[in-house]
Amino acid sequence: DAGVIQSPRHEVTEMGQEVTLRCKPISGHNSLFWYRQTMMRGLELLIYFNNNVPIDDSGMPEDRFSAKMPNASFSTLKIQPSEPRDSAVYFCASSFSRATNEKLFFGSGTQLSVL
Amino acid sequence: SQQGEEDPQALSIQEGENATMNCSYKTSINNLQWYRQNSGRGLVHLILIRSNEREKHSGRLRVTLDTSKKSSSLLITASRAADTASYFCAPRWAGGTSYGKLTFGQGTILTVHP
Repeated sequence: DAGVIQSPRHEVTEMGQEVTLRCKPISGHNSLFWYRQTMMRGLELLIYFNNNVPIDDSGMPEDRFSAKMPNASFSTLKIQPSEPRDSAVYFCASSFSRATNEKLFFGSGTQLSVL
Repeated sequence: SQQGEEDPQALSIQEGENATMNCSYKTSINNLQWYRQNSGRGLVHLILIRSNEREKHSGRLRVTLDTSKKSSSLLITASRAADTASYFCAPRWAGGTSYGKLTFGQGTILTVHP
């Protein structure tokens, strides 16, 4: 298995532009998590899905952020419009949550820079 | 808060020495997991210890868990330069249905000097 795949690896955009981050979870996993990591705030959980349904989006910072999971093999995190303070590394992770002792598998992240 | 808090924030040692990192948490847990993050990469799962276990080993890693004190420790023996990374603990909350949700603290930055 190729693991959790995120794209793009790096994204540089200008303030006000729309940004879409993509994630392909590990096949067979039924939970998917979006995290954001910055030096100041550390690793924050933004939103997570179970069986393609959003369970908790309380970590999404503003209405400018939205996430979808149209099927079990694909999820997007969209920022519209983007702002410089959105600059961070965004990670996607997946797990098989029916097991009590499930562990998370992380993608390599998307380094987002908003100028 | 369901996340763990790691201590110390930073640890600097020489190759061959042992490294000990601690984690404290506040809730009842099913298990506690440790992850490593190399610079610029995603987190990688290292080891999981269940709430009914007190100690667990995996290679050069030794994890202990004290549920009465709500604390855990990660020991890396005979450290190597390649162990340089950030280390995070993640308590798996026992309540409700969290679908495997884990939250993370700031981590311990370990630097191993050759």
